[in-house]
Amino acid sequence: QVQLQESGPGLVKPSETLSLTCTVSGAPISNYYWSWIRQSPGKGLEWVGYLFYSGTPNYNPSLKSRVSISVDTSTNQFSLRLNSVTPADAAVYYCARLAITTGLYAFDIWGQGTMVSVSS
Amino acid sequence: IVLTQSPGTLSLSPGERATLSCRANQRVSSSYLAWYQQKPGQAPRLLIYGASTRAAAIPDRFSGSGSGTEFTLTISRLEPEDFGVYYCQQYGNSLTYTFGRGTRVEI
Repeated sequence: QVQLQESGPGLVKPSETLSLTCTVSGAPISNYYWSWIRQSPGKGLEWVGYLFYSGTPNYNPSLKSRVSISVDTSTNQFSLRLNSVTPADAAVYYCARLAITTGLYAFDIWGQGTMVSVSS
Repeated sequence: IVLTQSPGTLSLSPGERATLSCRANQRVSSSYLAWYQQKPGQAPRLLIYGASTRAAAIPDRFSGSGSGTEFTLTISRLEPEDFGVYYCQQYGNSLTYTFGRGTRVEI
């Protein structure tokens, strides 16, 4: 059974960098695409980006200048970095498996989400 | 691609049929259209992918249909546990994903 778990600071200061990690258990990270999705309080879902372990990441154009997603196959984890955060970046951040390799083109497994606040 | 979901809120009784709409401003390949259910405090759950294929363990009262720019999620007979917010999602030519703003189903 594949499970995802987000971890990272729950509070980030404005202008600093948000860093989150997603630990994948139950499957090798190299077999799938992996993604980050966020949800601001009371709002809908916003796709942040995705990558395959050996490929070039794809990012939401609205965040592309500030975001970076990377994979560490040795620890079966993938990470999100978002630079120069503002209060608008406060959200629940979800990591998710993107089942492109099985033809689903959808997010079939999600982490529980982690809330990140932005405040000085 | 912008996805517009309607109605914003649907108030129905158990046993009734729910019809949720997702309209795109450009053509979407059926292979790239999915639906999710989200309950308060929980992560979204994949219901439908490829516009009409139920994900694993999804009851058959959930069905998806549509093509081009018009897609529909139907819940044939609402159960009390079906309350929540439903999102459609598409994968576009620019290799990016977008979500609709959701339809809230109130029981």
